[in-house]
Amino acid sequence: DADVTQTPRNRITKTGKRIMLECSQTKGHDRMYWYRQDPGLGLRLIYYSFDVKDINKGEISDGYSVSRQAQAKFSLSLESAIPNQTALYFCATSDAGSYEQYFGPGTRLTVT
Amino acid sequence: QKEVEQDPGPLSVPEGAIVSLNCTYSNSAFQYFMWYRQYSRKGPELLMYTYSSGNKEDGRFTAQVDKSSKYISLFIRDSQPSDSATYLCAMKKGGSYIPTFGRGTSLIVHP
Repeated sequence: DADVTQTPRNRITKTGKRIMLECSQTKGHDRMYWYRQDPGLGLRLIYYSFDVKDINKGEISDGYSVSRQAQAKFSLSLESAIPNQTALYFCATSDAGSYEQYFGPGTRLTVT
Repeated sequence: QKEVEQDPGPLSVPEGAIVSLNCTYSNSAFQYFMWYRQYSRKGPELLMYTYSSGNKEDGRFTAQVDKSSKYISLFIRDSQPSDSATYLCAMKKGGSYIPTFGRGTSLIVHP
């Protein structure tokens, strides 16, 4: 089984809808991250969490919110989706003190 | 200007060629340098990691860091079609756990 899983893998939604992307991990890592990837722009950090009670904004947090329900679960919400939030979204985890991040398979989100 | 610059390509080479992928950066505080490989429809996976300046070799892959020039490279020898992927450089400052990623270079190795 994959160590970092994301659901759904693909989603098409309409402008103004609320949507939640979920991430689960079995690696036992404390640190979790949400990124979006756009062609030509690379990976940009949305939010990150170093433990269950710690939530931090990243480079592009406007229009997004997160919830860290447990050590293993980190959800990303778009309260009112807009077309320029169409992108590939990745969840990642890392161990405390480690330089390596482990990425999930991604969620392809399309907002029409 | 972005902190990390990387040409998005695509870079197309014949099988067996030596590939050179590069990134430049502007922040001299970066100390840890990484290369991630991302296959189509997959998440990135760490390929190589280097601390500070110097070279590191792992099989057909060599990572090189030149801090004086703020320039890092990934060399792939005897490239294979299975090396076709997007390669992202990433770097971070000492004491930070948040890396800064380049835009990624798309590599195509054709038989």
